Amino acid sequence: GENVEQHPSTLSVQEGDSAVIKCTYSDSASNYFPWYKQELGKRPQLIIDIRSNVGEKKDQRIAVTLNKTAKHFSLHITETQPEDSAVYFCAASIGTNAGKSTFGDGTTLTVKP
Amino acid sequence: DVKVTQSSRYLVKRTGEKVFLECVQDMDHENMFWYRQDPGLGLRLIYFSYDVKMKEKGDIPEGYSVSREKKERFSLILESASTNQTSMYLCASRVGRNEQFFGPGTRLTVL
Repeated sequence: GENVEQHPSTLSVQEGDSAVIKCTYSDSASNYFPWYKQELGKRPQLIIDIRSNVGEKKDQRIAVTLNKTAKHFSLHITETQPEDSAVYFCAASIGTNAGKSTFGDGTTLTVKP
Repeated sequence: DVKVTQSSRYLVKRTGEKVFLECVQDMDHENMFWYRQDPGLGLRLIYFSYDVKMKEKGDIPEGYSVSREKKERFSLILESASTNQTSMYLCASRVGRNEQFFGPGTRLTVL
């Protein structure tokens, strides 16, 4: 089955710096790659996603890049703010309506003011 | 707005008890999922369902079963709770090949 590895497990940056979280996946059939943010005590919520027919997607301060050949994708957060502090999960899904998602182990991002 | 609700936020049970965790979604989603979340282990899939009365094992199904009698409701059952099932349980639903919407979670403690 699919295996998703996420690095780093913890990341600490100064406010205003950029943060990058990387994930690799094993199944070349995966074609949907969402990123979820989970604030302390809250449920995970989607922040950005990318499908395999696209190499990069951007939404304000966050962007995701996908390298299908190398089977890795990354989350980029620019101009980090304290409210970006959270646990971030990447996931990979095989593109069928009934397909399941496999999640990475999560990255705890701390943005220091 | 999609709403996914779970029957309890906190639950304390004793070893050997049968435990039911309920999840309800209000957006007619075909797919529903149960995960457990433990520190450093991410979100691990227990079971999922892509239609009424259909179920598929996830990565860690041992010790759990599920039931989906109606489209909007997906139940997780611990037949005989054990202390190693103490965890946060998250339900999610999804339509097609899109994002998952998560419930608020149930923190289960088994004594």
